[in-house]
Amino acid sequence: AQTVTQSQPEMSVQEAETVTLSCTYDTSENNYYLFWYKQPPSRQMILVIRQEAYKQQNATENRFSVNFQKAAKSFSLKISDSQLGDTAMYFCAFGSNFGNEKLTFGTGTRLTIIP
Amino acid sequence: DAGITQSPRYKITETGRQVTLMCHQTWSHSYMFWYRQDLGHGLRLIYYSAAADITDKGEVPDGYVVSRSKTENFPLTLESATRSQTSVYFCASTITRTDTQYFGPGTRLTVL
Repeated sequence: AQTVTQSQPEMSVQEAETVTLSCTYDTSENNYYLFWYKQPPSRQMILVIRQEAYKQQNATENRFSVNFQKAAKSFSLKISDSQLGDTAMYFCAFGSNFGNEKLTFGTGTRLTIIP
Repeated sequence: DAGITQSPRYKITETGRQVTLMCHQTWSHSYMFWYRQDLGHGLRLIYYSAAADITDKGEVPDGYVVSRSKTENFPLTLESATRSQTSVYFCASTITRTDTQYFGPGTRLTVL
């Protein structure tokens, strides 16, 4: 079974700064999918970014980018020019190629952007 | 475009009562899921469905029942609620096995 570890329960950063959230995972598979979801105080789960393991290029979405290190099984999320609206819980998730419909989530990192 | 909705958004019930949480999606996605979110555990899969009339257990299925008679609906029933089932419940859907899952707004359930 896969496991996903987010070792930073809480983080805070000043507005406009850059912050990196860590995620490691354990799997014996070669092809899989990784996700970062954001959960603001509204509780809605929102997809931030998705990475396919077979792609060497790191995924980016505007101010959000990932550092995907397949050999190290690491999948960190970098938020540039952080904004107050980035305050949220962030969850890393693993999707198996053998059953990507079933996601395994980490326990989350609570990120606070300080004005 | 309504997307994926859940009802009720909040529910308080008592131990031993039956509770049904509703999930409805307008995208005609094949796959639907139920997760529960608890502090320190992230989201854990309860049940999922690959299509109408096809369901399977996830990581924490005990005490829950699901059905899927129509593609767009995926209700979750707690047959006899227990305090340990106090949680936030999320429904999600995806069109294929490898596509991104999209989540509903969640239902906060409290069992007294």
